Amino acid sequence: DTEVTQTPKHLVMGMTNKKSLKCEQHMGHRAMYWYKQKAKKPPELMFVYSYEKLSINESVPSRFSPECPNSSLLNLHLHALQPEDSALYLCASSQVGREAYEQYFGPGTRLTVT
Amino acid sequence: ELKVEQNPLFLSMQEGKNYTIYCNYSTTSDRLYWYRQDPGKSLESLFVLLSNGAVKQEGRLMASLDTKARLSTLHITAAVHDLSATYFCAVDARNSGGGADGLTFGKGTHLIIQP
Repeated sequence: DTEVTQTPKHLVMGMTNKKSLKCEQHMGHRAMYWYKQKAKKPPELMFVYSYEKLSINESVPSRFSPECPNSSLLNLHLHALQPEDSALYLCASSQVGREAYEQYFGPGTRLTVT
Repeated sequence: ELKVEQNPLFLSMQEGKNYTIYCNYSTTSDRLYWYRQDPGKSLESLFVLLSNGAVKQEGRLMASLDTKARLSTLHITAAVHDLSATYFCAVDARNSGGGADGLTFGKGTHLIIQP
């Protein structure tokens, strides 16, 4: 099983709403990632969790709050977003170690902020 | 700051032709990744290149890595319409070698293959 699942597939939210994105993998990977991808742009790294601990935060605004409840789950809590935060949010997972491990991407959540 | 540059950014070609996409990066790294993305879809891993001189092939696609030149190439042989997609190269952002690193992506090459 090389699948990373994400829910919901689509999300429309107002600027005052609070919502959460969910990501799950059952490959035994101990690293999980959030990326943001705007239309016709490459994905941009937001957060990295390694062994359930936040290891990289790419200066993401505090209106995005990640959480890793266990080794299989990754959440992204959203609050007071701006219209410019509308994008495809991609979750990925990989093994951890000195080897180069490919990252497996989920299908993404397409977020629209109104 | 790590920079990853791809060229061309847009490529329109005919079926049956050969072409190469280039990926240059600015840091010392021996780990280079190629991904494919179809419109409205997520990223599909194509190749992981681990060392200098690495060459991998899958069907009509072949990728290579020259760490001394900090250059990777993705070569398309006898293109077919199904290969139309956006292709990204990516490099480990920190290349710490010991943990989980996020990826820094090139801008992507939008490839259209016409019958």
